[in-house]
Amino acid sequence: DADVTQTPRNRITKTGKRIMLECSQTKGHDRMYWYRQDPGLGLRLIYYSFDVKDINKGEISDGYSVSRQAQAKFSLSLESAIPNQTALYFCATSDLAFGGTDTQYFGPGTRLTVL
Amino acid sequence: DAKTTQPPSMDCAEGRAANLPCNHSTISGNEYVYWYRQIHSQGPQYIIHGLKNNETNEMASLIITEDRKSSTLILPHATLRDTAVYYCIVRGSGTYKYIFGTGTRLKVLA
Repeated sequence: DADVTQTPRNRITKTGKRIMLECSQTKGHDRMYWYRQDPGLGLRLIYYSFDVKDINKGEISDGYSVSRQAQAKFSLSLESAIPNQTALYFCATSDLAFGGTDTQYFGPGTRLTVL
Repeated sequence: DAKTTQPPSMDCAEGRAANLPCNHSTISGNEYVYWYRQIHSQGPQYIIHGLKNNETNEMASLIITEDRKSSTLILPHATLRDTAVYYCIVRGSGTYKYIFGTGTRLKVLA
């Protein structure tokens, strides 16, 4: 979905380097998420944010940190990258709808390789 | 959130309807059924969701059984571009959490 963009789209880095992945959205949504996907597996939630002042850990937050710079921007950092963080990373956004549902819309992904 | 079961793979002839089943026998009353698809390694794409009634949009139709224990996603006229992994997800209203399983790999054949 072009309304959710991620940069970079591909990144190769070395063990121990600090890496930042960025996500921007023009959908006007309050909620933003970071997921990772490993080959052949489903997506796993790393962090999520319901508004600029609300940041929460997901199921696999160890080794990651995030920053919600504005409603439209949510960054994921790997402070010291390690090879098992090699994966596809997806950002998503959503907004709480009538009835309590929120449909998440995903960005195109960042392929990260840690050597 | 209820667990879902999907067949690992399916084939469909181009131009025919693709019917993708999903079992969610432990679904509870306030849980919705969502469908997403992922083409190659692109970001998951939202398709449709529903609670009790059948739903239709420009992409697909969602048929939910009366007891809500299973559902079927229907792509009415499958094209080669519909080749993807399709995920059925059950989640409650008010929850942010999506549990992506391994999905069904649909291959549309020319």
